[in-house]
Amino acid sequence: DAGVIQSPRHEVTEMGQEVTLRCKPISGHDYLFWYRQTMMRGLELLIYFNNNVPIDDSGMPEDRFSAKMPNASFSTLKIQPSEPRDSAVYFCASTPGVATNEKLFFGSGTQLSVL
Amino acid sequence: AQTVTQSQPEMSVQEAETVTLSCTYDTSESDYYLFWYKQPPSRQMILVIRQEAYKQQNATENRFSVNFQKAAKSFSLKISDSQLGDAAMYFCAYRRNGNKLVFGAGTILRVKS
Repeated sequence: DAGVIQSPRHEVTEMGQEVTLRCKPISGHDYLFWYRQTMMRGLELLIYFNNNVPIDDSGMPEDRFSAKMPNASFSTLKIQPSEPRDSAVYFCASTPGVATNEKLFFGSGTQLSVL
Repeated sequence: AQTVTQSQPEMSVQEAETVTLSCTYDTSESDYYLFWYKQPPSRQMILVIRQEAYKQQNATENRFSVNFQKAAKSFSLKISDSQLGDAAMYFCAYRRNGNKLVFGAGTILRVKS
């Protein structure tokens, strides 16, 4: 099992550009989470999906952020237009379920720098 | 809303010694789960240990153990015989049954040789 796969590992872009982060969860995991990590705010949950359906997007900072999960093996987090304050590490994580003590399996993260 | 507080931004320990990282949380629920995750410089988030709130016995995983005090809403992590590879950011996390995982701000652990 390759684990949760995120791409790209690093992304550098200019303010105003569109950024798309990608995630492939572990096969068979029904839940997928997007987290953002910054020094100031720590790890924040942006959105999570269950069986490809968004369940809670209350952490999405504003309309510039959108996330999709078109199928069980792929999700994207898009920022349009990007701003310097969006610079952070974005993690994707998946888990078989949340009704027990199931742990989250994290990807390696995408380091986003918006200049 | 549930909150998780890690009051120690940074800790240091001598190799082979023991260190305890603190975590408190706020909840009105009686059924929930607690976790400690480790994030080394590689950025990878690694589960260290987990505890179910309904279990009175403290969880242990080799050199890692917790002191779970439900009434005090405290969940500290003890690392025994510290090794250089233990140096990382440690996150305490809370999850209520069926809900999302909420993380604390993290504690940086430095291990001195």
